[in-house]
Amino acid sequence: QSALTQPASVSGSRGQSIAISCTGTSSDIGFYKFVSWYQQLPGKAPKLMMYEVSNRPSGVSNRFSGSKSGNTASLTISGLQAEDEADYYCSSYTTSSSVIFGGGTKLTVL
Amino acid sequence: EVQLVQSGAEVKKPGESLKISCKGSGHSFSSQWIAWVRQMPGKGLEWMGIIYPGDSDTRYSPSFQGQVTISADKSISTAYLQWSSLKASDTAMYYCASGYSYGYHWFDPWGQGTLVTVSS
Repeated sequence: QSALTQPASVSGSRGQSIAISCTGTSSDIGFYKFVSWYQQLPGKAPKLMMYEVSNRPSGVSNRFSGSKSGNTASLTISGLQAEDEADYYCSSYTTSSSVIFGGGTKLTVL
Repeated sequence: EVQLVQSGAEVKKPGESLKISCKGSGHSFSSQWIAWVRQMPGKGLEWMGIIYPGDSDTRYSPSFQGQVTISADKSISTAYLQWSSLKASDTAMYYCASGYSYGYHWFDPWGQGTLVTVSS
């Protein structure tokens, strides 16, 4: 089972918006609404940022939003801030009752 | 507040066995799925498997089936990840993470991680 496909890196200037894509198959992202996103700061454990495609956990800034179309999901961060610089991972539940992660995207805030 | 606290870093030799732990507090541990996730040095997250401590229902990623054993002791709110014979390639950070009572479609919170180093 291959990992979901994410760009290795994205960058944006402070105040701008960026989107991170996450492409899977009809057996994971395309089948379920169970896409989640995690932020991992250097040396820290991952933190849940989005669940069920577009739901933000309590405490997560509304600058973060999620969407899905077909086999591809996206995480959009608007009004980029320096503290958003981190690695981001998407994840999906699969038809095999397992979970699969993306390869991760390093976000650089210029 | 829900919290998962993992056991400390380990340094082992190839061929040795190891069992690391993840202790839950602040919630009904027995009714929350607990996952294990591997992160090799400089690499991404890999889902290893999951257990429901209430009835020990356990599911493994095909990549990790037969390579590790996931277990839990609900009486002490603790989940475990175990190796019978470590390899150098098992060197990684291992995280436990909580699903929820009726599924494991996302994980929150996560433990702080246990660094396992396997070297001769």
